[in-house]
Amino acid sequence: AQSVAQPEDQVNVAEGNPLTVKCTYSVSGNPYLFWYVQYPNRGLQFLLKYITGDNLVKGSYGFEAEFNKSQTSFHLKKPSALVSDSALYFCAVRASGSSASKIIFGSGTRLSIRP
Amino acid sequence: DAGVTQSPTHLIKTRGQQVTLRCSPKSGHDTVSWYQQALGQGPQFIFQYYEEEERQRGNFPDRFSGHQFPNYSSELNVNALLLGDSALYLCASSGGAVNNSPLHFGNGTRLTVT
Repeated sequence: AQSVAQPEDQVNVAEGNPLTVKCTYSVSGNPYLFWYVQYPNRGLQFLLKYITGDNLVKGSYGFEAEFNKSQTSFHLKKPSALVSDSALYFCAVRASGSSASKIIFGSGTRLSIRP
Repeated sequence: DAGVTQSPTHLIKTRGQQVTLRCSPKSGHDTVSWYQQALGQGPQFIFQYYEEEERQRGNFPDRFSGHQFPNYSSELNVNALLLGDSALYLCASSGGAVNNSPLHFGNGTRLTVT
């Protein structure tokens, strides 16, 4: 069975500082990994994905994520946080190898950037 | 190019009633997935439709059913509503032939059951 864990309910960072939002996963076989962001009363917006290849993936709005197979982690990072990055972030996983595989989401991490 | 559209945006129903939510996928997408997002939680997978058939289902009771039409749009039906069904219902579309493609979400339908 697939699962995703986001161990931090909330992450607080000062503007201009680097940020990290943690994610670990469990899936049979090779994973497809995703990060999404959600603003109040809106749907989820795709940020980036890892399919294969380079372990460092770059996405929208200056975000990047690092895939670590041995630690089964896919942490979201940004070198310099902006107040506008404040939102709810979700990590998600899908098992590769099956066209019918569903995407499973974590419980979310609320990112708060203070000016 | 229109993204995923959902209707209605808000809905208030009474326990025991039935509700139908609608979704039009992003242009070029043929797969529709439905998620339930309770307040303060992550989206929970309800089911996925492809080629007008339910391809996969999450851990939801049979009160939750769906349909996909030839134009790829989809409906989610919930019967015998319970207070616990109050949530944001999200529709997401993707290109079904490529299973590493990301989901594109609509803004959801906020269902309140009183």
